[in-house]
Amino acid sequence: QQQVKQSPQSLIVQKGGISIINCAYENTAFDYFPWYQQFPGKGPALLIAIRPDVSEKKEGRFTISFNKSAKQFSLHIMDSQPGDSATYFCAATPNTGNQFYFGTGTSLTVIP
Amino acid sequence: AAGVIQSPRHLIKEKRETATLKCYPIPRHDTVYWYQQGPGQDPQFLISFYEKMQSDKGSIPDRFSAQQFSDYHSELNMSSLELGDSALYFCASSLGNGNEQYFGPGTRLTVT
Repeated sequence: QQQVKQSPQSLIVQKGGISIINCAYENTAFDYFPWYQQFPGKGPALLIAIRPDVSEKKEGRFTISFNKSAKQFSLHIMDSQPGDSATYFCAATPNTGNQFYFGTGTSLTVIP
Repeated sequence: AAGVIQSPRHLIKEKRETATLKCYPIPRHDTVYWYQQGPGQDPQFLISFYEKMQSDKGSIPDRFSAQQFSDYHSELNMSSLELGDSALYFCASSLGNGNEQYFGPGTRLTVT
């Protein structure tokens, strides 16, 4: 059972556009929500993360929006670049443990 | 900055053989996590160690075992390998239990 649901599965965006990836969860014990970027054959790299006490966090071109009541969070990539083309995973971890539950991933392609 | 080191990077084994994967965490990180990622899939949590003690357990088969040593490096031992064990195996490390996890480059295991 997938504890974190991620959409879309794939996304194509023009250079300079905004990429938006959404995730949803049910487990209210989750209290840490990171986003990872993964290039083929490489390990996931931590991009940005948020905890439920804030509704938004921005780091450079990357923003997480968090809606605690809806149990949803999303990643926005502003001014998307071809170098952003990768697979993006959202994840969540509960306050009772430390394992990450990953979403199914979104393959992002930014076309010049 | 120093990252998580995994060895070997690639490993080819035959069915029913054994394999040992090694992970060297980021210096001063005391927590290690193991994940398995099949082709086109999200990483699945296997097991984690905090201060050399097992801290959380996920979908790790009974044929696999792991431990963390006094220098905080960890080894994942896999026995009676099956074709379905072919995957990327990632190690991640963090400072403290339940904090930001930084992933290594992975070991690609192929079982023939």
